Amino acid sequence: ILNVEQSPQSLHVQEGDSTNFTCSFPSSNFYALHWYRWETAKSPEALFVMTLNGDEKKKGRISATLNTKEGYSYLYIKGSQPEDSATYLCAFMPQTNAGKSTFGDGTTLTVKP
Amino acid sequence: SAVISQKPSRDICQRGTSLTIQCQVDSQVTMMFWYRQQPGQSLTLIATANQGSEATYESGFVIDKFPISRPNLTFSTLTVSNMSPEDSSIYLCSVIKGLSGNTIYFGEGSWLTVV
Repeated sequence: ILNVEQSPQSLHVQEGDSTNFTCSFPSSNFYALHWYRWETAKSPEALFVMTLNGDEKKKGRISATLNTKEGYSYLYIKGSQPEDSATYLCAFMPQTNAGKSTFGDGTTLTVKP
Repeated sequence: SAVISQKPSRDICQRGTSLTIQCQVDSQVTMMFWYRQQPGQSLTLIATANQGSEATYESGFVIDKFPISRPNLTFSTLTVSNMSPEDSSIYLCSVIKGLSGNTIYFGEGSWLTVV
């Protein structure tokens, strides 16, 4: 059983605050690490697909980094807005059998106006 | 990219009944995946739906409880049989696409409540 852990479990911030979450995953048999944003009653939306150690990706106010040697990824949100409120999931995709991704429990972010 | 339609989006089901969830993809894909998320739990892979062969189930999931059909390369169904309150979950179908074959796309999910 692969261990993918996310922290914190939940986070409440004020509008304008910057925040970050952590995803830890196995450092062996690595193929890709995904970040998803999941709003209630919608399908999970892919934010980033990260494949290389040292990868740093950015989409607007959201960015992510990847360290495959030590098995962790950070997701950063700069200047949080109420519309950023969602659950953020990471998923570890192994090299052997890429179809069997393992998801973390998610970090639920609530941004108060 | 891939656009995935799932139905029903939401249902309330009686204990002991069965419900079939449908998943339609806008393009042909080799494998489709079925996940569920029970309240307070992480997304968990139930099975991989293969076209032309039986589905491959993960540990803890069996065909009698979750029969899957995959009649063609764009469609799959998952049936939740003999439902109990423990089956109350969000069920998601997904596919993998992308240039490197490493992006997961999800349907909107089917929210089932068993009473």
